[in-house]
Amino acid sequence: QVQLQQWGAGLLKPSETLSLTCAASGGSFSGYYWSWIRQPPGKGLEWIGEINHSGSTNYNPSLKSRVTMSIDTSNNQFSLELSSVTAADTALYYCARVKRRYSSGWYSYWGQGSLVTVSS
Amino acid sequence: ILMTQSPATLSVTPGERATLSCRASQSVSSNLAWYQQKPGQAPRLLIYGASNRATDIPARFSGSGLGTEFTLTISSLQSEDFAVYYCHQYHNWPQTFGQGTKLEIK
Repeated sequence: QVQLQQWGAGLLKPSETLSLTCAASGGSFSGYYWSWIRQPPGKGLEWIGEINHSGSTNYNPSLKSRVTMSIDTSNNQFSLELSSVTAADTALYYCARVKRRYSSGWYSYWGQGSLVTVSS
Repeated sequence: ILMTQSPATLSVTPGERATLSCRASQSVSSNLAWYQQKPGQAPRLLIYGASNRATDIPARFSGSGLGTEFTLTISSLQSEDFAVYYCHQYHNWPQTFGQGTKLEIK
């Protein structure tokens, strides 16, 4: 059974950099797209971007200038950095994995979520 | 691609049928998924490929549609089905989600 466990700093000041990591267990790491999705309090879901096992990325254009995703295949982990955060970046951040190898698609597996609050 | 769900809130009596809609601003073919989210939980995949039930999803959940118009039907609502439902297109980047439909007990 695939499990995603995520962690990172929960409270940031404006202009700081958000940093989250997600570790996968219980399945193969290679061949999949690994994603980050966020949800502001009381609102809907926003796709941040994805990275595959070889490090190829796709980012949401609305965040592209501030987002960096990386992958560590030796430890089955992937990470998100979002620079210059503001209060608008306050959200529950999820890591997620698609079902099929070598393809973007629907998300069968989700992390538990990490609440990130940006406040001065 | 903008995904628009309707209605925003749906009030239904347990045992009745619920029909949720999702419209895409341009064709997404059948590259559409539905998720259920309960308070304090991550979204749970229900339907992928517009009409395929995910593993362990009860048969009372069904999806239909193609192109720009999609429907999620719950045939006989159980108490555990009251939640927020999101559609998700993975046809084009950036992937996008609808704003959600809250299904509440009438």
